[in-house]
Amino acid sequence: QSVLTQPPSESGTPGQRVTISCSGSSPNIGSNYVYWYQQLPGTAPKLLIYRNDQRPSGVPDRFSGSKSGTSASLAISGLRSEDEADYYCAAWDDSLRAWVFGGGTKLTVL
Amino acid sequence: QVQLVQSGAEVKKPGASVKVSCRASEYTFSDYCIHWVRQAPGQGLEWMGWINPKSGGRDYAQKFQGRVTMTRDTSISTAYMEVSRLRYDDTAMYYCARGTLRPPKYNWFDPWGQGTLVTVSS
Repeated sequence: QSVLTQPPSESGTPGQRVTISCSGSSPNIGSNYVYWYQQLPGTAPKLLIYRNDQRPSGVPDRFSGSKSGTSASLAISGLRSEDEADYYCAAWDDSLRAWVFGGGTKLTVL
Repeated sequence: QVQLVQSGAEVKKPGASVKVSCRASEYTFSDYCIHWVRQAPGQGLEWMGWINPKSGGRDYAQKFQGRVTMTRDTSISTAYMEVSRLRYDDTAMYYCARGTLRPPKYNWFDPWGQGTLVTVSS
């Protein structure tokens, strides 16, 4: 059971906007930044969003992150077939003194 | 570009140990910490701990304390992660990832190594 809670799956059609939620609690999301990682099939994870809503260079502005209280979300607009991947949220947990991840959301582009 | 290259796949028996390496290139190895994250087959990501290559300081997730050892060799820009007393549920892809030298809570993981598959089988 993951400390952060994500829906197991989401889907959308090309061009659509989808959001992936990530729910935590006070010691993790409530007190620290949220990060998002994209894992394409058979590859290592890649940083997608850092410090809640910042995009590393090279990440398209179709990807955006937000945080409110103890929850965060990742939005993907103009959905494309190459966005089909697993997405993980992560945050530091002050109580556990460890990085914690969500269980991952498998995004399917229909 | 900044790259982390990990050692190859391993097959180990229960009770044995495994040591995975992570070689850094195109940046100053001692200026960034290295985290280790594992992913069991079909499962999510699990943080194991981190090492500061400059000081040698390290911290492990409570679950792995006493069974995981992280070391580094700055002369060859390489970090190592050893798991002892392997169990079947240690079968996983093990990733190294670069972080910053700031306290762990101010880190993020970028980039990641390609992963090393460790299989525990009798």
